[in-house]
Amino acid sequence: EVQLVESGGGLVQPGGSLRLSCAASGFTFKNDWMHWFRQAPGKGLEWVSLIYSDGSDTRYADSVKGRFTTSRDNAKNTLYLQMNSLRAEDTAVYYCARHLSDYSNNIDRDWFDPWGQGTLVTVSS
Amino acid sequence: QSVLTQSPSASGTPGQRVTISCSGSSSNIGSNTVNWYQQLPGTAPKLLIYGTNKRPSGVPDRFSGSESGTSASLAISGLQFEDEADYYCGAWDDTLRGPVFGGGTKLTVL
Repeated sequence: EVQLVESGGGLVQPGGSLRLSCAASGFTFKNDWMHWFRQAPGKGLEWVSLIYSDGSDTRYADSVKGRFTTSRDNAKNTLYLQMNSLRAEDTAVYYCARHLSDYSNNIDRDWFDPWGQGTLVTVSS
Repeated sequence: QSVLTQSPSASGTPGQRVTISCSGSSSNIGSNTVNWYQQLPGTAPKLLIYGTNKRPSGVPDRFSGSESGTSASLAISGLQFEDEADYYCGAWDDTLRGPVFGGGTKLTVL
């Protein structure tokens, strides 16, 4: 079974740091791009970051650029999100997801499946 | 403020057909395929439709997707109580070089 399991969430004070982990199983982790998303309480989905399959490139949403760092350990089948200088507006459930893509009939398709169960990060004093 | 635009709510009665719309621009829906995710209360998003109109294994054929220009739609036929959930559209954005989403549509089955 293809599965992603996040961990590392919790309560942290403004300005603090936290590292999230996402353990992958059931697929060849080293072959796939991976993403982090988040969902603030009662709000919609927001993309946070992506990392290439070999870790050679990362991209970030403007809202977290310079504060968050995504990395991966392909030997451990694990994705990480290092979050520094946390703000109240970073409070959210954080999800990791696998990036899948397909090119056929001259059409490029990209989608995310599966998503992990999520881990809650609360930034508050 | 979400990049893609969805109506915040939709409703229907069991057995009815409901359509949820998603509007974007030339940098996202206009040049890339659309995906739909279903989020049941208290759970993680689940892939419902990918590549605009393809269903993953296990998703009933009551769910279908379509696209026209810079807009996309999710249709649910034979509505069931278990379909009550939040539905999000998403697409790759070539300008932002990352995925973007709609704000979500809360579907209520009356």
